Amino acid sequence: DAGVIQSPRHEVTEMGQEVTLRCKPISGHNSLFWYRQTMMRGLELLIYFNNNVPIDDSGMPEDRFSAKMPNASFSTLKIQPSEPRDSAVYFCASSSRGLAGVRSSYNEQFFGPGTRLTVL
Amino acid sequence: KQEVTQIPAALSVPEGENLVLNCSFTDSAIYNLQWFRQDPGKGLTSLLLIQSSQREQTSGRLNASLDKSSGRSTLYIAASQPGDSATYLCAVRMDSSYKLIFGSGTRLLVRP
Repeated sequence: DAGVIQSPRHEVTEMGQEVTLRCKPISGHNSLFWYRQTMMRGLELLIYFNNNVPIDDSGMPEDRFSAKMPNASFSTLKIQPSEPRDSAVYFCASSSRGLAGVRSSYNEQFFGPGTRLTVL
Repeated sequence: KQEVTQIPAALSVPEGENLVLNCSFTDSAIYNLQWFRQDPGKGLTSLLLIQSSQREQTSGRLNASLDKSSGRSTLYIAASQPGDSATYLCAVRMDSSYKLIFGSGTRLLVRP
């Protein structure tokens, strides 16, 4: 398996522009996570999808951020309009989850290589 | 609120030395704990996953232990090599939760 795939690997844009980050989870995984990593705040969970449905978006910083998962093999994180403080590394991770109702069936998360975003 | 702390923040050792990285957490009601490695400019690579019912996990030269009652985990690296140089992160998952709560990491440098 190729692992979690993210694109682009690097993105440089100007303030006010729209940015779209893409993620392809590991085949067969039904949970997908978007994280943001900065020096100041470390790794933060932005949003979590299970079976393509957003379960928890409480970590999304502002309305400028939105995420979609139209199918099991693709997700996007969009920032519109972008601001310099959005500069960070954005990671996508996926995992498999066991049977619904089975306690504690969340499994190991596998991370993609990340997208380094710079907003000028 | 769960807090995860990693000490030291940075560590420099000569090649061949055995070393221990520490991770502590404030709430012992965890489901599992995961150790990751992050190379500069790269993503996170999962090293070991310890379930709350386990005491330790081993993979090659790596051994991770877990003591839930004291809120501690250690990552032991035997016979360190320059290729082990990276940042090591621990993360805990709470009972029946999907969220990983990360520590700030230990930056390891193994000198040739």
